Amino acid sequence: QSALTQPPSVSGSPGQSVTISCAGTTTDVGGYNYVSWYQQRPGKAPKLMIYDVTERPSGVPARFSGSKSGNTASLTISGLQTEDEADYYCCSYAGTYSFVFGSGTTVTVL
Amino acid sequence: QVQLVESGGGVVQPGGSLRLSCAASGFNFNNYAMHWVRQAPGRGLEWVAIISYEGSKRYYRDSVKGRFTVSRDSSNTLYLEMNNVRPDDTALYYCAKVRGIFWFEKELSPDFWGQGTLVTVSP
Repeated sequence: QSALTQPPSVSGSPGQSVTISCAGTTTDVGGYNYVSWYQQRPGKAPKLMIYDVTERPSGVPARFSGSKSGNTASLTISGLQTEDEADYYCCSYAGTYSFVFGSGTTVTVL
Repeated sequence: QVQLVESGGGVVQPGGSLRLSCAASGFNFNNYAMHWVRQAPGRGLEWVAIISYEGSKRYYRDSVKGRFTVSRDSSNTLYLEMNNVRPDDTALYYCAKVRGIFWFEKELSPDFWGQGTLVTVSP
């Protein structure tokens, strides 16, 4: 049950694109298409942004997209906006009804 | 609208016990599995436990097995009984509903989260 590996921080200017990686193993990210992403602003509860690798809940802007290749999932924010500044966490199903979160990435809008 | 309100946090000594509650409203609680997820101060999210919609299936992370018990009742309330707590259990504890109804692997990822209740384990 080790945390999935994310870069501690990424940054970009408004309008640019940033991508956050989430590296796991064949027993979690690589084994299932059940990766979700959460946005957490300071002092707030996490908010679901992406589920099932690529699906976006209603109300989440289309500039947020997800993908997966092998044991690594990714979240891309296209057309970065100031309100996107937050911490982002990936989460993967890890079999036998257990879950594992990523280490978290702070997105800074320059 | 969906609401999840956690309570029961506080300061507890190592080896002590605490029971957290999560009051749910705005959705059919009896149809949804529920998670507990925690976040130590300044740290990342850590999955703790999941309970099925009808309460018969419960799964835990290894570090809390045998010490924590997740349960639910018909008053739309989720619980986390914490026994023999340790300093590394200090965290903000969130409850979260899953995405889909009943018990399908595909729809068990956390969806909507409460605001959390803080547990501090300290002598």
